[in-house]
Amino acid sequence: SQQGEEDPQALSIQEGENATMNCSYKTSINNLQWYRQNSGRGLVHLILIRSNEREKHSGRLRVTLDTSKKSSSLLITASRAADTASYFCATDRRDSSYKLIFGSGTRLLVRP
Amino acid sequence: GAGVSQSPRYKVTKRGQDVALRCDPISGHVSLYWYRQALGQGPEFLTYFNYEAQQDKSGLPNDRFSAERPEGSISTLTIQRTEQRDSAMYRCASSSEETQYFGPGTRLLVL
Repeated sequence: SQQGEEDPQALSIQEGENATMNCSYKTSINNLQWYRQNSGRGLVHLILIRSNEREKHSGRLRVTLDTSKKSSSLLITASRAADTASYFCATDRRDSSYKLIFGSGTRLLVRP
Repeated sequence: GAGVSQSPRYKVTKRGQDVALRCDPISGHVSLYWYRQALGQGPEFLTYFNYEAQQDKSGLPNDRFSAERPEGSISTLTIQRTEQRDSAMYRCASSSEETQYFGPGTRLLVL
């Protein structure tokens, strides 16, 4: 079963605007990761944030984590048409396997 | 270097046939995972290997599904007596630490 829920399910913005996606999860976690999936292609790892971190940046990406609310957000600044994709959050729990539990994803459309 | 590779990329089979899906992880990665992804959903965990040992197979749907990684590198996911509900994208990932790197997947269609 899915651990996380992304919000919104779909998002359409103009190129240059910022896109914010949210993820909520249910159980205590070790790490939270964000992945991107382009149409017809594989899952690409974007960023990992550990449970003891609150914010992380990578290029145009900013991720926040609030473990008290069991939620995370992904902000993409100055969006480009090439950012059009589905974005998934994935958590791994405090056990030894690091298996990832994915949400159902946010489909982002960036209009040129 | 090379990423995770999977073969075949597409597989069409008839109901009742067995299929074998192959995963070649990133060289040196100790951990290997199998996931299944339905259309419009995120991947769901199937099974996990640490070296050649299958550490967790809690996500395998039933006993028609099995996986092996005999030499701690390449892994095979086998589905016996396929059913139409097995149609999905099957993804493999490997890792050396926390980050999992995914292959392109095998799209399985059971007619």
